[in-house]
Amino acid sequence: GQNIDQPTEMTATEGAIVQINCTYQTSGFNGLFWYQQHAGEAPTFLSYNVLDGLEEKGRFSSFLSRSKGYSYLLLKELQMKDSASYLCAVRDRGSNFGNEKLTFGTGTRLTIIP
Amino acid sequence: GAVVSQHPSWVICKSGTSVKIECRSLDFQATTMFWYRQFPKQSLMLMATSNEGSKATYEQGVEKDKFLINHASLTLSTLTVTSAHPEDSSFYICSARAGGTYEQYFGPGTRLTVT
Repeated sequence: GQNIDQPTEMTATEGAIVQINCTYQTSGFNGLFWYQQHAGEAPTFLSYNVLDGLEEKGRFSSFLSRSKGYSYLLLKELQMKDSASYLCAVRDRGSNFGNEKLTFGTGTRLTIIP
Repeated sequence: GAVVSQHPSWVICKSGTSVKIECRSLDFQATTMFWYRQFPKQSLMLMATSNEGSKATYEQGVEKDKFLINHASLTLSTLTVTSAHPEDSSFYICSARAGGTYEQYFGPGTRLTVT
């Protein structure tokens, strides 16, 4: 099975930087996604890491350490619209490509305050 | 590109009736589609994985006779909630993945309320 942990809630100030951590345990790790989800909407893709290191995309960066089973999402220059839930999802290899699936963490509800 | 639609976006039905939700990939062929359920303030829980032309694979604890999935074409999958009960009220989200790729594209979700 898989176990994915994220903080439930976080609060940060507009213009600041926030780091959302995710730890995971899985038998067939094949990549980690970060998604953003606003209330009542479907998740939108933010980043994908399959190799160790940092992936930067504008204000958002994502880091992965496979040996530690650890990832973080870094959000810079926070804006009020960044208030949302951030979901960490681990891609499991399964027995073959057709059996791959994503397992989501519980999500981190981020609130940006002025 | 990579747009996935769902219909309806919301539905209210009476207990005991059945509801069908459609998931379509609009601009790509989805060899695999996934159905998720999300209860308030919780994360997405995978219900089943369906590959075009074959039977869906259900996650543990999901009743396949209650949640009927049909993936008859490369652009359409349907989820039918049979004999719905109030506890089935939830946000149902589908996602689609093209063959040989890793990214899943999510539909906008369907909010089901069973009275």
